[in-house]
Amino acid sequence: AQSVSQHNHHVILSEAASLELGCNYSYGGTVNLFWYVQYPGQHLQLLLKYFSGDPLVKGIKGFEAEFIKSKFSFNLRKPSVQWSDTAEYFCAVNAGSTGRRALTFGSGTRLQVQP
Amino acid sequence: EAQVTQNPRYLITVTGKKLTVTCSQNMNHEYMSWYRQDPGLGLRQIYYSMNVEVTDKGDVPEGYKVSRKEKRNFPLILESPSPNQTSLYFCASRVQGQAYNEQFFGPGTRLTVL
Repeated sequence: AQSVSQHNHHVILSEAASLELGCNYSYGGTVNLFWYVQYPGQHLQLLLKYFSGDPLVKGIKGFEAEFIKSKFSFNLRKPSVQWSDTAEYFCAVNAGSTGRRALTFGSGTRLQVQP
Repeated sequence: EAQVTQNPRYLITVTGKKLTVTCSQNMNHEYMSWYRQDPGLGLRQIYYSMNVEVTDKGDVPEGYKVSRKEKRNFPLILESPSPNQTSLYFCASRVQGQAYNEQFFGPGTRLTVL
């Protein structure tokens, strides 16, 4: 079964600091990887996704993620965070190429950006 | 506006009193799904549906039922709610087919079972 680990549960940064949130998955075959963001009181929104091609994926709001197959990782990065980035971030994986499998989510990382 | 809607947004109920949380999407998506979100556990899938009259269990289906009689609607039914079903529930939908298709989430329903 596929699983996702997010090791940083709570991250506190100052504005303009750089961000990297870790995500590791366990599945040896084809994977589709996602990062979702949940702003306080809101629903989940897609930040970016990877399914093939360039392993460095750029998403919305200046976020990017790098798929490293050998490390089973898909870490999220942003060079300079803003107070508005305060939110909870979820990594998710969907293994295989068909649409049957569900998204498996990590436990989430709560990011707090201090002004 | 393309969206997934859920009702109610907040619900407090008592143990054993049947309830239904509705979910509707206007994007003509085949695939719909229910998740529950609990602190430290992320989102876990309860049930999903790949099309009308096609539903299947997710990772945590116990205590829940669903139905898919119309493409746009996917209600979640708790026949006899218990306190361990207190949670934040999200409905989601996406185009069926490729696994990398984006899922669109509803605003969530916060359920408290006393």
